Parts: sequence; C-alpha cells; structure tokens
Amino acid sequence: DTGVSQDPRHKITKRGQNVTFRCDPISEHNRLYWYRQTLGQGPEFLTYFQNEAQLEKSRLLSDRFSAERPKGSFSTLEIQRTEQGDSAMYLCASSPPDRISTDTQYFGPGTRLTVL
Amino acid sequence: GNSVTQMEGPVTLSEEAFLTINCTYTATGYPSLFWYVQYPGEGLQLLLKATKADDKGSNKGFEATYRKETTSFHLEKGSVQVSDSAVYFCALISVEALNFGKGTSLLVTP
Repeated sequence: DTGVSQDPRHKITKRGQNVTFRCDPISEHNRLYWYRQTLGQGPEFLTYFQNEAQLEKSRLLSDRFSAERPKGSFSTLEIQRTEQGDSAMYLCASSPPDRISTDTQYFGPGTRLTVL
Repeated sequence: GNSVTQMEGPVTLSEEAFLTINCTYTATGYPSLFWYVQYPGEGLQLLLKATKADDKGSNKGFEATYRKETTSFHLEKGSVQVSDSAVYFCALISVEALNFGKGTSLLVTP
C-alpha cells in the first residue's frame, strides 16, 4: 500500500529562480490538497483539486504560485521568482471519494524548500 | 472564520504520566475535528477524529471527545511512552480545507 508521495524531498534554490514540486496521491483518491508549513506553525491550506478541477484557492496563493492536476492523478505546484519568504515545507494530501471518509486527508512527507 | 486554538508547548512529561493537550475551536456549525501527529522526521499522520458532538475518537491509547458545550476537543492519554514524543496538531475541516492549530510539542522522558 503506497501512501502519498512527493518529489523532491528537499530543494535549495536561489532567490528569483522557479521551482516545481510534484505530488502523487494515493491511488483512486480524487481529492488532492496543497498546504504550506513554516517552522513552529501548523500547516496552512493553499489549494485543492477534485479530479482535475481546481476548486478552491487560499489568499496565501499569490500570483507567483500555480498548481495543476492535468489528468486528475498527480499534481504539480510551481513557484515562480522565489523569495526567501517562500522557504517552508510544502505538504500534499489526498482524500478518498467515499462519503464516510471523505473529510479525512492523508499527508505525504513534504518537500522542504530553502530559498537562499 | 473557523479556527482552532491549542495550548502552547513544549510539554515535557515523564514516562507513564497522564497527558492532556487542550484544544478549543471556533466554528460555524459542527465540523469534523481531528488530531494529527508529526513524529520527528516524518510526515503528518491522522491520530484520531470525531465527526459530531459527543463523539469520542480514540487510537493508540489517545482519546478526544467532541464537546460542543465547551467547544473543545482535548487530547488525553492515560500513560505516555517515550515513543509518543512528537508534535500534535488539532484541526477542523472548513469546507474542504483543514484549519490547524500551531501544534504542541511533547517530549516524554524515561
């Protein structure tokens, strides 16, 4: 049984560069979520997809951030022109389509981004 | 908006001590409530959940009861172990997003 996977696990980049992260949800989970977690804080919601449709975006998701889920399976999160304030752990989660457990989200290990 | 507030840590306990981590919520309606745990070097894991008032969630000896009168969902365990050392997050579901507290770090010493 494979859980949510994320790639890369760590990314170090220079300010102004673009970065892209990938998330593979649990098989058959139709909902996918992105969160950001900074040191000493709880995760903060960024965006979510149901199948390939992006249905909700947080105000935290500035114009430099874009997320896609083109075939309703894996998702990518791109940050353009990175800033030092973007340094954080980026978490992906997925949840199943059945009614009973639909509000339970299963998290991946995260991608730690460091912007120098 | 919907939010949770949990007690600040760090909390340090001796093995076999009783644990309580307080969590209170503000919400429209009665959203599902969760406790997630993050062990050192690992991702967030669901510890337990409760979907309606008076529900009790339990797992691995941990318990939490959804109390609408006090808008609380306190996490308890009767006898903690060193392996329980982790960061614990209280959360509620708001539409599709989980709203998390800031987390409470627990250190259990032998």
